[in-house]
Amino acid sequence: QKEVEQDPGPLSVPEGAIVSLNCTYSNSAFQYFMWYRQYSRKGPELLMYTYSSGNKEDGRFTAQVDKSSKYISLFIRDSQPSDSATYLCAMSAGGYGNNRLAFGKGNQVVVIP
Amino acid sequence: GAGVSQSPSNKVTEKGKDVELRCDPISGHTALYWYRQSLGQGLEFLIYFQGNSAPDKSGLPSDRFSAERTGGSVSTLTIQRTQQEDSAVYLCASRTRISGGTEAFFGQGTRLTVV
Repeated sequence: QKEVEQDPGPLSVPEGAIVSLNCTYSNSAFQYFMWYRQYSRKGPELLMYTYSSGNKEDGRFTAQVDKSSKYISLFIRDSQPSDSATYLCAMSAGGYGNNRLAFGKGNQVVVIP
Repeated sequence: GAGVSQSPSNKVTEKGKDVELRCDPISGHTALYWYRQSLGQGLEFLIYFQGNSAPDKSGLPSDRFSAERTGGSVSTLTIQRTQQEDSAVYLCASRTRISGGTEAFFGQGTRLTVV
């Protein structure tokens, strides 16, 4: 079992729809959870950052973490064509000497005008 | 600089040649990561530097790969005797704190093509 599982299937949605992405993980030591957005031929940029379980909202973006289920989600409300990108989940255990970031494979999202 | 800088942005090399990829992290960031991203794949961890500690080299795919970080700042990833399967985007990231809790900032990557 991979440490982080993210179904890499592409996702096409009409403009204005809600985009729902998720990742599962197996390492119970993970406690820092991130979502990165990556445009074509660019480096990943941090979108959302969450510590431990709970929800975090930032504008149209909501990140959810359920550590008991080892499951994290990202929701994009009122999706825009500019949201078209690949979204990668990432997580780390934190702590000195244990800061490796483990990534999912990414979801390519296309928002159709 | 304001962000993580990587050079070159693109590199085409012949099979069997050695290549060096450079990363300039954000000033003051103590942690530095190298990742590799192949087409349709996620980010594959290669190596992690944290301050003066021994680097975590557990992700390096073979002994043809090595990396160093001089003076706690600039890092160089070296691939010897390149193979076609080494073709990928090599990403560098830096992070501010010793113990987790902060985001990693990525550079734009070096696109390596081995022909």
